Parts: sequence; C-alpha cells; structure tokens
Amino acid sequence: LAKTTQPISMDSYEGQEVNITCSHNNIATNDYITWYQQFPSQGPRFIIQGYKTKVTNEVASLFIPADRKSSTLSLPRVSLSDTAVYYCLVVSKHGSGNTGKLIFGQGTTLQVKP
Amino acid sequence: EAGVTQSPTHLIKTRGQQATLRCSPISGHTSVYWYQQALGLGLQFLLWYDEGEERNRGNFPPRFSGRQFPNYSSELNVNALELEDSALYLCASSPDPGSSGNTIYFGEGSWLTVV
Repeated sequence: LAKTTQPISMDSYEGQEVNITCSHNNIATNDYITWYQQFPSQGPRFIIQGYKTKVTNEVASLFIPADRKSSTLSLPRVSLSDTAVYYCLVVSKHGSGNTGKLIFGQGTTLQVKP
Repeated sequence: EAGVTQSPTHLIKTRGQQATLRCSPISGHTSVYWYQQALGLGLQFLLWYDEGEERNRGNFPPRFSGRQFPNYSSELNVNALELEDSALYLCASSPDPGSSGNTIYFGEGSWLTVV
C-alpha cells in the first residue's frame, strides 16, 4: 500500500493560487492518484484523479512528475468557500494489487483568509 | 444520477446497544467501502465489499460487521456499542474494481452518537 504524506495545514488568501503537494514514494505501476475535498461533517468530495503528467478539470489541476512519487493539487484563485481538508489517495487497480483497503493520510487543512 | 445515499443521517444509541447503518451505492457500482471518522480526526478504513463478499477489513474488532445485498446496497452493524464508537460513518462506492482508475465516491455519512 502506498503511504501518502501531506502538509498538515496551509494558509492562503482569497484570489491566490494554492498548491498542495502529496508524497507517495512507494506508488505502484498501476496506482492512480485521487484528491478529495472534505468540509466539516460532510463526506469527502471527489476533486480530480490522474495517473501521470497533468490533468485539469473545471475546479483544479493535478500535476504528476515522471517518477510519480509525488503529486500537486493546484486550486486557482481560491475563495473562502475552499476552506476545507484536502486528502490525496493512491488507488490501486484491482487484480494488480488492489486490496480495497484504501488508506487516507491525515489530509491538509487549507484555511483561506479574506 | 443519484450519488451514494446513506441512512439514517443521525442515530443516537445507548452503550451496549446495536446500531445498523445503511448505504446505497451509485447505480452500476459494485464495490462498497465503509469508513469511520471520529470528530476532528481522519478517515479510518472499516470494510470493503464487492459482489456481495467481504473483501477486506480494517483494524476494527469483530463487533463491527456488515453485509452487501444482491442489489449492491450495504449495511454496517455495530454491536455492543461503546462511547468511542461515536463518529461519522461514511460509505463510498466505486465501479467494478477491475475498471481503470477505480474512482471512489462518498456519501454524506451517518452520525452515530453513543450515550
């Protein structure tokens, strides 16, 4: 199982770009990287998923270097409503080592200030 | 398309009682995962069901159990409730685990309070 490491917390201001990096040194060949956002007392919300290079959707971008040992979630022009906990999760493809035992790290608490 | 739905939203039980939580996965999803999240803490993996079978479980005592029905919905049962079981219980679902990416989607959770 690929263990993930993220900063415990980050502060930012409205309108800034925020980059949150996750380390996953023992990621396996068939593992994907997924990021979630969680507000207090709510279930985690899927943000973005990628395998390599760069993935972009309407809310975020995900940068994965060639060695795939880390990934960076980029949130453009954050607002107060982006204050939340962000988790990265390494997910294995079943039949190639997926045990379904998905282990979340401690997450990064992002505080956006006005 | 409906997301993962969980019931009840809130549940209050007395220590020693049993609690049953329910989860309906996204249509077409065959895998269901259960997590426990105590207040202010991270997500702890509980159980994984796929195609009606328990495939893996986390480091929880046997009084945490569950099942998955033929329609892929799932129940989580917690017996002999203890005060420390008070937490948000989250259910998640994903498509066939053999599918590429295996994206997991979460429900909004069920709050269990043990008094």
